[in-house]
Amino acid sequence: GNSVTQMEGPVTLSEEAFLTINCTYTATGYPSLFWYVQYPGEGLQLLLKATKADDKGSNKGFEATYRKETTSFHLEKGSVQVSDSAVYFCALRGPSGGGADGLTFGKGTHLIIQP
Amino acid sequence: IAGITQAPTSQILAAGRRMTLRCTQDMRHNAMYWYRQDLGLGLRLIHYSNTAGTTGKGEVPDGYSVSRANTDDFPLTLASAVPSQTSVYFCASSKSGTNYGYTFGSGTRLTVV
Repeated sequence: GNSVTQMEGPVTLSEEAFLTINCTYTATGYPSLFWYVQYPGEGLQLLLKATKADDKGSNKGFEATYRKETTSFHLEKGSVQVSDSAVYFCALRGPSGGGADGLTFGKGTHLIIQP
Repeated sequence: IAGITQAPTSQILAAGRRMTLRCTQDMRHNAMYWYRQDLGLGLRLIHYSNTAGTTGKGEVPDGYSVSRANTDDFPLTLASAVPSQTSVYFCASSKSGTNYGYTFGSGTRLTVV
């Protein structure tokens, strides 16, 4: 079946540092890949997505590239801010996913940015 | 504003009581989902519905039931609450098809005592 693996953290960085959160996946067929962000006390929000190999998703300074050869979708940001502190979830959606083509989530990575 | 509305926002419930968590969306999405979120366990799918009139079981369905009488509403019922059902519950919806992500509600924080 489908699965997503990501570092759980917490990951603690100083403001303006470079961020990488690793995400790798196992899937049948050709899934779409997503990053969601969850701020404290809120629901998950879609941050970015990529629907085919070599696509790059980007939003709010975050980027991730769909790498089929390494089955990865690592999240990066060049200079993080305190307001980026949140939990980040990597997810895939493809055939045989949870809930009959629904999303399969990683466990989430807690990111803490210190001033 | 288009989106998903969940109610209540939070609830303290005595063990053994029946409880229905409400979820309504106004985006005309075909598919809807219920997840629970627990520290260290991430998001776990409880039940889903690919279209009005159909439902399916997710990873952790025991103790929960759902119905999907129309496109907009997807209530989750706990027939007889137990303390292990203390969690944050999220409802989500999406268009059908693998290119689409989910839209999530703000969640219901449920404490069973």
